Formats: sequence, C-alpha cells, structure tokens
Amino acid sequence: AQSVTQLGSHVSVSEGALVLLRCNYSSSVPPYLFWYVQYPNQGLQLLLKYTSAATLVKGINGFEAEFKKSETSFHLTKPSAHMSDAAEYFCAVSKDQAGTALIFGKGTTLSVSS
Amino acid sequence: GAVVSQHPSWVICKSGTSVKIECRSLDFQATTMFWYRQFPKQSLMLMATSNEGSKATYEQGVEKDKFLINHASLTLSTLTVTSAHPEDSSFYICSAPKSAGAGEQYFGPGTRLTVT
Repeated sequence: AQSVTQLGSHVSVSEGALVLLRCNYSSSVPPYLFWYVQYPNQGLQLLLKYTSAATLVKGINGFEAEFKKSETSFHLTKPSAHMSDAAEYFCAVSKDQAGTALIFGKGTTLSVSS
Repeated sequence: GAVVSQHPSWVICKSGTSVKIECRSLDFQATTMFWYRQFPKQSLMLMATSNEGSKATYEQGVEKDKFLINHASLTLSTLTVTSAHPEDSSFYICSAPKSAGAGEQYFGPGTRLTVT
C-alpha cells in the first residue's frame, strides 16, 4: 500500500533562510507525488506535483521538489523563506496507479520568524 | 480553472441529529469524488470514494451506515453524517480528480462540523 512519511512535524526557519521539508514515500508502483499547503482555516492548495516526468519539479511561490527514486524521497525546498510561507504543508501520494484518491502524510507546520 | 465547492462551510448541530454536506464540481463533471476527514492539527484521512450512479467505496474503519454518501449526478456528491455525536466533530473535505489518470485533485474548501 502507498504511504508517505513526513519527517518533522514542526520546522522553524528565519526569514530569508532555506526551507527544507522532508517527505519519504512507499509505493509498489511508480508514484504520483504531491505537495499541498494549507493556510489556517483554508482549503488545500497544490504547490507542485510529480507525475514521472522531470525529477526536479518547480511549483508555485518559489517552491520546488526533487524526486529521488533511490532514496524514495520527495523533499520540498525553497531557497529563501518569506513570512507568508508560514502554513501547514502536506506531502501526498496517489493511492493507486490510476492516480485518484490521495494518501496524505501527517503534515509539517512551517514557522517563519523575522 | 475548475473549482469544487462545499456547502455549508460550517455547521453546528445537536447530538443525535443528521447533517448533510454537499460537494459540487462547478465547471466540470466528476464521476468520482473523494471525502476526507481532518481532525484539528492533523492530516487528512480518506473516508470514502463516491461513485456516480453506484455505491460508495468506504475505507477500512469508516462506518458506512453512519456516513452516508450519495453521488446522484455528475456534479454533486453528498455526505450525510447520521445520528451525529461530538466525536464526529471534524473538518470534512471533498475532492474531485482533475481528469482521469492525472492524479491531481481539486479540493473543496471544507466543511467544519461541530456537534454539541
């Protein structure tokens, strides 16, 4: 069964610092992988997705993620954090190869200090 | 772009009553929709897959008699929480696939249910 593990339930960075949010996946088939962001009291917003094309995926708001099959990882990065990046981030994998329902990680809360 | 809406956005009900939550795809047809549940400060848990014109498929541990799902049209799925109890209080989120096989989902804004 597909699953994702997000290492670190809470990450704190200073404004301007590198953001690194970790995600490892387990999948019996080539996975579809996603990163979503959720701001307080709001719905999920797609940051980026991997669907077996380029291994380095660029998303919105300056975020990117690299698919590493050998490490079964899909870590999310941003070179320079902004205060507005403070939110909850979820890594997700498609439940099956057809890419339908998503299985979510537990989430990582990103805090950004000035 | 495609949008998924949910109604209501929040609801408060008394213990023992039933609550219906609607999920609509606004400018595309969705033969399949998904229902998730999110507890405060926790992740989203898939509850069930809603299939237009057929029975929903429930995840293990989800009571299908308590969480009734109906997908009567290509743009509407409903989740009814029957005989609600305080432990059913949660954030309920629906989603619909962007297209078959794409993997990407359009998520609704969620419905916050509070059972008193």
